[in-house]
Amino acid sequence: QKEVEQDPGPLSVPEGAIVSLNCTYSNSAFQYFMWYRQYSRKGPELLMYTYSSGNKEDGRFTAQVDKSSKYISLFIRDSQPSDSATYLCAMTSHAGKSTFGDGTTLTVKP
Amino acid sequence: EAGVAQSPRYKIIEKRQSVAFWCNPISGHATLYWYQQILGQGPKLLIQFQNNGVVDDSQLPKDRFSAERLKGVDSTLKIQPAKLEDSAVYLCASSASGEGRHEQFFGPGTRLTVL
Repeated sequence: QKEVEQDPGPLSVPEGAIVSLNCTYSNSAFQYFMWYRQYSRKGPELLMYTYSSGNKEDGRFTAQVDKSSKYISLFIRDSQPSDSATYLCAMTSHAGKSTFGDGTTLTVKP
Repeated sequence: EAGVAQSPRYKIIEKRQSVAFWCNPISGHATLYWYQQILGQGPKLLIQFQNNGVVDDSQLPKDRFSAERLKGVDSTLKIQPAKLEDSAVYLCASSASGEGRHEQFFGPGTRLTVL
């Protein structure tokens, strides 16, 4: 069993929809939780970063962490075609080692 | 602020040949990472440097892969000899110390095809 499991997708939604992306993890040592966005043939770029349970909002993006359930989510409101990309969740231990999910590919159709 | 630079961007080699990738991290970033990303998968950590010392190389196939970070700045990753299953994108990332240490900045990657 992988330490980080991510909903595989792919996901296709109409412009303006609310998107929910999800990951579960099994390692209690993970303390930091990140969401990266990766466009085709580019490196991942950090979208959201949090270390506590609860919600963190940044514009149209909300990251949610539930440590008791070992579950994290990323919500995208009012999705745009420019949001079309692969979204990667990542978990980091206190020692600084990151483990990534396999990504969910999102397509937002105009 | 300049980002993480990697070269080459693409490389095609035959199995059993050698190949080397170069990475220049963001200026002042103490930590440097090399990841392997196979198509359809997330990045897998190969090696992590803190300045010029190795922090974690537990997933580096040491019989064929080697990496160095001389003077705590640039880094090279080498594969010798390459196998078909090494076809992947090799990503370099860097992060600062202290508060920003968990935010990794990625380069564009080197896409390796082994024939």
